[in-house]
Amino acid sequence: DVKVTQSSRYLVKRTGEKVFLECVQDMDHENMFWYRQDPGLGLRLIYFSYDVKMKEKGDIPEGYSVSREKKERFSLILESASTNQTSMYLCASSLTAGDETQYFGPGTRLLVL
Amino acid sequence: GNSVTQMEGPVTLSEEAFLTINCTYTATGYPSLFWYVQYPGEGLQLLLKATKADDKGSNKGFEATYRKETTSFHLEKGSVQVSDSAVYFCALSDRGGNNRLAFGKGNQVVVIP
Repeated sequence: DVKVTQSSRYLVKRTGEKVFLECVQDMDHENMFWYRQDPGLGLRLIYFSYDVKMKEKGDIPEGYSVSREKKERFSLILESASTNQTSMYLCASSLTAGDETQYFGPGTRLLVL
Repeated sequence: GNSVTQMEGPVTLSEEAFLTINCTYTATGYPSLFWYVQYPGEGLQLLLKATKADDKGSNKGFEATYRKETTSFHLEKGSVQVSDSAVYFCALSDRGGNNRLAFGKGNQVVVIP
């Protein structure tokens, strides 16, 4: 059974803080993704990674960076959190070849005050 | 680019009613199509998928048929239960882009006893 875990379910941070969101998958998937989910906007892709140390910008990368030092772990970094980054953050992983299904973690609900 | 359109607005219906959620897409090539479900407080789970035209995906009493001629992948269930209350997302994969998924905005479904 595919397992994608995220480091926190709920997080409260102050404006200007540096925030780390961690995601770990146990299925040896090549691809990993970070999305944010907002009411009325659905899911929007922030960044994705198709291999260790490789990353590509998604649709809304501004204000975010990512790190993938190991295949199983993909981190999302908010360099200086702002209130408009209050959101639900979802991590997902998938294979490169064959099954295109993305498997999601439970999400981190981030509140920036 | 690839995109997915879901019908506007939440869906409220009574237990044992018939459910339809419309999904249409725009894509080049031959994408795979997915329905994901998000139960309250959780991440997204794959509900069903179809990888080629005329394929029917099915799971938990839900069905959707990949219609290339109408570029649609409508979700249906013949008799809903209260436990089906969730948000439903239609998505397509672009295959050539590291399995990126394009998501619709989602539909909140509320089933009343």
